[in-house]
Amino acid sequence: TQLLEQSPQFLSIQEGENLTVYCNSSSVFSSLQWYRQEPGEGPVLLVTVVTGGEVKKLKRLTFQFGDARKDSSLHITAAQTGDTGLYLCAGDRNSGGSNYKLTFGKGTLLTVNP
Amino acid sequence: EAQVTQNPRYLITVTGKKLTVTCSQNMNHEYMSWYRQDPGLGLRQIYYSMNVEVTDKGDVPEGYKVSRKEKRNFPLILESPSPNQTSLYFCASSLRVNYVNYGYTFGSGTRLTVV
Repeated sequence: TQLLEQSPQFLSIQEGENLTVYCNSSSVFSSLQWYRQEPGEGPVLLVTVVTGGEVKKLKRLTFQFGDARKDSSLHITAAQTGDTGLYLCAGDRNSGGSNYKLTFGKGTLLTVNP
Repeated sequence: EAQVTQNPRYLITVTGKKLTVTCSQNMNHEYMSWYRQDPGLGLRQIYYSMNVEVTDKGDVPEGYKVSRKEKRNFPLILESPSPNQTSLYFCASSLRVNYVNYGYTFGSGTRLTVV
């Protein structure tokens, strides 16, 4: 089973619409990150959330970390064609002793049509 | 400019021929990691390093080796590449403060084809 489940896997919308993508787990994370990736390029960090219940805004993007630090959501308002890409969430957790591992979800592929 | 530099960007090799993918970061980050990305499987961690001379296996370490002799460099070594190691590889580094990972900076990727 996947540690981090992202939904939906694929999303195709029209420019100007709003959307929300989700990242869910049964594990507690010390931090959770959202990345955006273009084809053939490395993921680019959008935001890191650390505190349960935390909400961060980045222009039209709003990120929320669940109160129990097990899940997160990304909401985009008035989507633009430039928002097209693969959105990845990644959770960081203790893997034993002083070791920490960051595990990625499989991503949500967003297409914003003009 | 803060960055992670991977080389080469593209590599085609034959089965069994040893290769090294280099990775270097200029941000003085302690934590570095290698991932491979495959369609339908997402990003999977190969190895990671918490600091110089400290490395540990990720989720898919078989067939790979790493070393961390200095903070800035974290090369990925394939001693005897096989076709199932054909993939897109990413190196990443991050800042950790009090064990909290504040986010990776990724390299641009290495697309490896083993024939």
